[in-house]
Amino acid sequence: NAGVTQTPKFQVLKTGQSMTLQCAQDMNHEYMSWYRQDPGMGLRLIHYSVGAGITDQGEVPNGYNVSRSTTEDFPLRLLSAAPSQTSVYFCASSYAQWGEETQYFGPGTRLLVL
Amino acid sequence: GQQLNQSPQSMFIQEGEDVSMNCTSSSIFNTWLWYKQEPGEGPVLLIALYKAGELTSNGRLTAQFGITRKDSFLNISASIPSDVGIYFCAGGNTGNQFYFGTGTSLTVIP
Repeated sequence: NAGVTQTPKFQVLKTGQSMTLQCAQDMNHEYMSWYRQDPGMGLRLIHYSVGAGITDQGEVPNGYNVSRSTTEDFPLRLLSAAPSQTSVYFCASSYAQWGEETQYFGPGTRLLVL
Repeated sequence: GQQLNQSPQSMFIQEGEDVSMNCTSSSIFNTWLWYKQEPGEGPVLLIALYKAGELTSNGRLTAQFGITRKDSFLNISASIPSDVGIYFCAGGNTGNQFYFGTGTSLTVIP
């Protein structure tokens, strides 16, 4: 199993550009999430999904869109990049078995918005 | 949004010493997770806790789910240089959001 994979690893954008961060998991997990990590802020939830076709907003959703057409993929779209979106983005997937949930992270995408 | 209070923020210890860190929340959780993150990498799951009072070990790491369900503790015994990294706690409820602490940065001096 590859686990959770993310592409690209690094990206530089100009203000106003759009892009899609890719996330895929091969563990057949129902839940997937996107976080951003900023210095001194820990990890903050952007959007999450509890299954294909179902998404919901997290703590910091503004400026981002998601969709979940398959169990495996959960792309994050930046509609019009802003310097405030410079961050490290992590995708995570999780499963809950007998009420016990465990969450695994991808390696991250480092985004710089100029 | 909710962030968990994690302390200490950083630790500098001698190799061989034991380490303790904790995480507190104003909300009750039914799951506590502890992660380690190394530079340039994603967080790696160390220990998962699901029951109040539960004590779980993973090698030299031991974590406890607080009785109040609002806190959790992580201990590392006999630290070694490869323990260096940032340790995060996360609290959540099944099918809902996980909330993360701001991390404890651990430096081990050989």
